[in-house]
Amino acid sequence: QVQLRESGPGLVKPSQTLSLTCTVSSGSISSGSYYWNWLRQPAGKGLEWIGRIYLSGSTDYNPSLNSRATISLDTSKNEFSLKLSSVTAADTAVYYCARAGTMVTYVGPFDNWGQGTLVSVSS
Amino acid sequence: EIGLTQSPGTLSLSPGEGATLSCRASQSVSSNYLAWYQQKPGQAPRLLIYGASSRATGIPDRFSGSGSGTDFTLTISRLEPEDSAVYYCQQYGSSPRTFGQGTKVEIK
Repeated sequence: QVQLRESGPGLVKPSQTLSLTCTVSSGSISSGSYYWNWLRQPAGKGLEWIGRIYLSGSTDYNPSLNSRATISLDTSKNEFSLKLSSVTAADTAVYYCARAGTMVTYVGPFDNWGQGTLVSVSS
Repeated sequence: EIGLTQSPGTLSLSPGEGATLSCRASQSVSSNYLAWYQQKPGQAPRLLIYGASSRATGIPDRFSGSGSGTDFTLTISRLEPEDSAVYYCQQYGSSPRTFGQGTKVEIK
């Protein structure tokens, strides 16, 4: 059973860049059968999809982030990463990485999630 | 962007009762690519239903999904105490992926 685990600083200062990594174990990120995603959830609120990356390096982002998000892939380490620039208190949330299956043009729901990591933005 | 509106906000029911959760989309969801997730406090969401009506691996048959186009329903029959959670619908037919605001199911 593939497992995903988020890691990174729990505290980021306003205007700085938030950086998180998702390590994938018991499965290869290079299989080509999945898109690798980042999502977030402010305390007591709903879920927001941030963006995704495929093995080819192709990415897709939520326009609500105003081009502040960048997702990258490191197949040698079997991990993918999120950078979110110019953060404010509104970016304080639990951040999740998640997997979505793909076949030809179909990209499915999020079928496997990390446990989440809380990132607070504060000076 | 497809907006998803869930109702009701909260359901308070007794064990053994049935629950009906609604999810309405602002426009038709392509190919009925609508999923439901269960989230318990302090945990990541868990996929319950995909394709509007297909149960994910390991999900009990007490959970069922239905609907098409813009109107979708998650039905939980014979509620058990462990079903207490927030349930989210999510569309994956178009980008950006979007979620409903959630329905909280409380077990009395």
